[in-house]
Amino acid sequence: KNEVEQSPQNLTAQEGEFITINCSYSVGISALHWLQQHPGGGIVSLFMLSSGKKKHGRLIATINIQEKHSSLHITASHPRDSAVYICAVRRGGSNYKLTFGKGTLLTVNP
Amino acid sequence: GAGVSQSPSNKVTEKGKDVELRCDPISGHTALYWYRQSLGQGLEFLIYFQGNSAPDKSGLPSDRFSAERTGGSVSTLTIQRTQQEDSAVYLCASSLGRGDTEAFFGQGTRLTVV
Repeated sequence: KNEVEQSPQNLTAQEGEFITINCSYSVGISALHWLQQHPGGGIVSLFMLSSGKKKHGRLIATINIQEKHSSLHITASHPRDSAVYICAVRRGGSNYKLTFGKGTLLTVNP
Repeated sequence: GAGVSQSPSNKVTEKGKDVELRCDPISGHTALYWYRQSLGQGLEFLIYFQGNSAPDKSGLPSDRFSAERTGGSVSTLTIQRTQQEDSAVYLCASSLGRGDTEAFFGQGTRLTVV
């Protein structure tokens, strides 16, 4: 079993829909990252979380440390949000190494 | 520079040849990381630099892989005697310090071994 599991693997939505991508992990962590990767492109860091909730524009990330779970929400989705969203965790006790989920491919249709 | 820069962006090489991949981190970032993303797989850690030292090389898949960093800045990942299974996107990231700070990723180098 992977230490970081994401669901769903693939998600198709219509423009304007509210999107939720989930991440569960099985190890103690010091931080969790949400990353975005566009086709053929590099990776952009969206959020780094260690507790609670963060918001940036239409993106919201939450984390529940006790339940070892995080969610990434996109409000009023747009076709330009189409990308792979990757959850990554930094283990407690490690100050640098990230363990990645396999990603969620989001396609937002106009 | 404004962001993490990697070169080349694409590289096609023949099996058995050596390749060098370059990463220019954000100026002032002391931590630098190399990751690999194979087709259909998630990202995997290769090596971590703090300054010019590599305290963790545990992710390098074989002794054909090596990396160095000079001047606390540019890093080169070298793959000797490339094999087809080395085909992947190689991503570099840098951060201000150790892992507590946000990491910034480059665009990656897509390596294809034919």
